[in-house]
Amino acid sequence: AQKITQTQPGMFVQEKEAVTLDCTYDTSDPSYGLFWYKQPSSGEMIFLIYQGSYDQQNATEGRYSLNFQKARKSANLVISASQLGDSAMYFCAMRVPRNNDMRFGAGTRLTVKP
Amino acid sequence: DTGVSQDPRHKITKRGQNVTFRCDPISEHNRLYWYRQTLGQGPEFLTYFQNEAQLEKSRLLSDRFSAERPKGSFSTLEIQRTEQGDSAMYLCASSLVRGHQETQYFGPGTRLLVL
Repeated sequence: AQKITQTQPGMFVQEKEAVTLDCTYDTSDPSYGLFWYKQPSSGEMIFLIYQGSYDQQNATEGRYSLNFQKARKSANLVISASQLGDSAMYFCAMRVPRNNDMRFGAGTRLTVKP
Repeated sequence: DTGVSQDPRHKITKRGQNVTFRCDPISEHNRLYWYRQTLGQGPEFLTYFQNEAQLEKSRLLSDRFSAERPKGSFSTLEIQRTEQGDSAMYLCASSLVRGHQETQYFGPGTRLLVL
């Protein structure tokens, strides 16, 4: 069975600082994809970044990077130069191709302080 | 706006009533997903379509729930005889499969409150 764990219910970061949001996963499938989504208070899930299990390099998208440690089964999200607009819930998710659902973690609420 | 859209954004209903939600996916996307999200939790998969075919349903999807995607474009999710436990955010997502990669793009959700 696939499982995603986010152990930080809430995180605080000072504006302009970097922050790491933790995510660990569990699967026996060798092929899988890992995703991070941002959900502001409006409710929409915004896709941030994707990492494939066979990707050799860590994914980056602007201020977002994914610290992928396959042996540890972790896929932490790093947000650099935090902005006030980054305050939101952040969800880690995993999809295994042979299944068709995507499993989400419980989320981390990030608050950026001015 | 070429993103995923959902209608209505909010719905308040009385227990026992039927409700129907609509999702319009990104136009070239062939897969469409429905999720349910309760307060403080991540989204939970309900069902998905590949074009017009409903290929998988979660055990969360009781027989009071039905979803359709008649022409492989928009989709509807109907809940019959609503219960207070159905109160949640219902999220729709669409995707286009490219090789082994598939990224799901979500709509703004429909927030349901059953009184």
